[in-house]
Amino acid sequence: KAGVTQTPRYLIKTRGQQVTLSCSPISGHRSVSWYQQTPGQGLQFLFEYFSETQRNKGNFPGRFSGRQFSNSRSEMNVSTLELGDSALYLCASSWGGRPGTEAFFGQGTRLTVV
Amino acid sequence: EDQVTQSPEALRLQEGESSSLNCSYTVSGLRGLFWYRQDPGKGPEFLFTLYSAGEEKEKERLKATLTKKESFLHITAPKPEDSATYLCAVPDSGNTPLVFGKGTRLSVIA
Repeated sequence: KAGVTQTPRYLIKTRGQQVTLSCSPISGHRSVSWYQQTPGQGLQFLFEYFSETQRNKGNFPGRFSGRQFSNSRSEMNVSTLELGDSALYLCASSWGGRPGTEAFFGQGTRLTVV
Repeated sequence: EDQVTQSPEALRLQEGESSSLNCSYTVSGLRGLFWYRQDPGKGPEFLFTLYSAGEEKEKERLKATLTKKESFLHITAPKPEDSATYLCAVPDSGNTPLVFGKGTRLSVIA
C-alpha cells in the first residue's frame, strides 16, 4: 500500500513569491491535514480537509491556504512568502471519520525562503 | 489551553541502557494519544495509539503506556538505530486533529 506522497521534497523561493505544495494521501483516506515544523515551534497545525471541505484551521495568517480535490489529493499555498515561512511542511493522511484516528505522514517539503 | 509536554528534551543512552520518555497532557476527554518517531529531515513515523488509562502497546524494544495524565515510552536495551526524535500528540478538545509536544531527542551510543 503506497504511503503519503508529498511533492516537491525541496523548494527555494524568494521573499514575496508564492508557493504551492502537493500531497497525495493513502488510498481510501479522506482526511488530509497540514503541519508546519520549525526548530523553535515544533509541529504546528495549519488546516485539515475532509471530503473537499476545510474542516479545521489552525492559527496561521490568511497567506496560508489550501484545498482538496475529489480524489482526496490536497494542495497548500503560501502567498507573499516571508523569511519566517522557511520550514518543513508536512501533510498527514487519515481515513478521517472521527478525531483520534491514526494519521500517517509524508516525508515533507523543505521550504527555504531567501 | 490544551497542552502536551514531553521530557526530557534530549536523552543520551549507552547501547543496552534502558530508559523511559515522558509525555504529559492536559486535555479533557482524551480521544487517543499518539506516539511517533521522526528521523532528521523526514516525516514522523507512526508508532502507537493509546486510548484508555492502563492500556499498553509494544513494538520491538518499545513499549508505550498510558495513565489519566501522562504516557510513557519505555525503551528496553536500545540500539544505535533507535536514535531519533520521539513525538507524542493528542487531538485537542476542539477540532485540531493533533497537538504535538516538542519531542524528546534520543541518542543511543554504541
